[in-house]
Amino acid sequence: DAGITQSPRHKVTETGTPVTLRCHQTENHRYMYWYRQDPGHGLRLIHYSYGVKDTDKGEVSDGYSVSRSKTEDFLLTLESATSSQTSVYFCAISEAPGGIYGYTFGSGTRLTVV
Amino acid sequence: DQQVKQNSPSLSVQEGRISILNCDYTNSMFDYFLWYKKYPAEGPTFLISISSIKDKNEDGRFTVFLNKSAKHLSLHIVPSQPGDSAVYFCAATGYGGSQGNLIFGKGTKLSVKP
Repeated sequence: DAGITQSPRHKVTETGTPVTLRCHQTENHRYMYWYRQDPGHGLRLIHYSYGVKDTDKGEVSDGYSVSRSKTEDFLLTLESATSSQTSVYFCAISEAPGGIYGYTFGSGTRLTVV
Repeated sequence: DQQVKQNSPSLSVQEGRISILNCDYTNSMFDYFLWYKKYPAEGPTFLISISSIKDKNEDGRFTVFLNKSAKHLSLHIVPSQPGDSAVYFCAATGYGGSQGNLIFGKGTKLSVKP
């Protein structure tokens, strides 16, 4: 999607290893989000950021940490990957809180933990 | 506890007919609602939204209806086209200065048959 890129697009990792996913935006939006999408669960919020170094937990934050040292980058780290973290991860950006202008999503990262 | 519910995991309609996707919510503080469309291997994209001060919003073939008393909204697609085949997510948020984030339903997979 224009203005937001996720890397890598696909990753296979072993149980117990740390993994970092990157979200990069060129829109200069203040708000950034990490969601995971799983069958039967829809999109669930993991963590979000409302500014540089300002982050907070979402609905399913256990086992994940985030960092935002620059406006354009929001990193999601799986501290010790487990099979239950096999999922598709989406980053989103927003220029306003509460989503009233909608979010712009990245294309996703498909993570498989074996 | 699910705050946004899409009770139909899938829907199949014939090309040219109307598609009606439903969404219910439980949080009376929600006052802005959005629909997102998602194709396989892509991120969700914004489709249409509605504020709680309205009961209808129309954009081309897409119309969203909101019934606040019933805490129910629906997305109508008329006429349906094969390219509309996708997963549709309903989302809700509160705003007015809050840090509320978008809460998504589980999605409804729409199949439009030629």
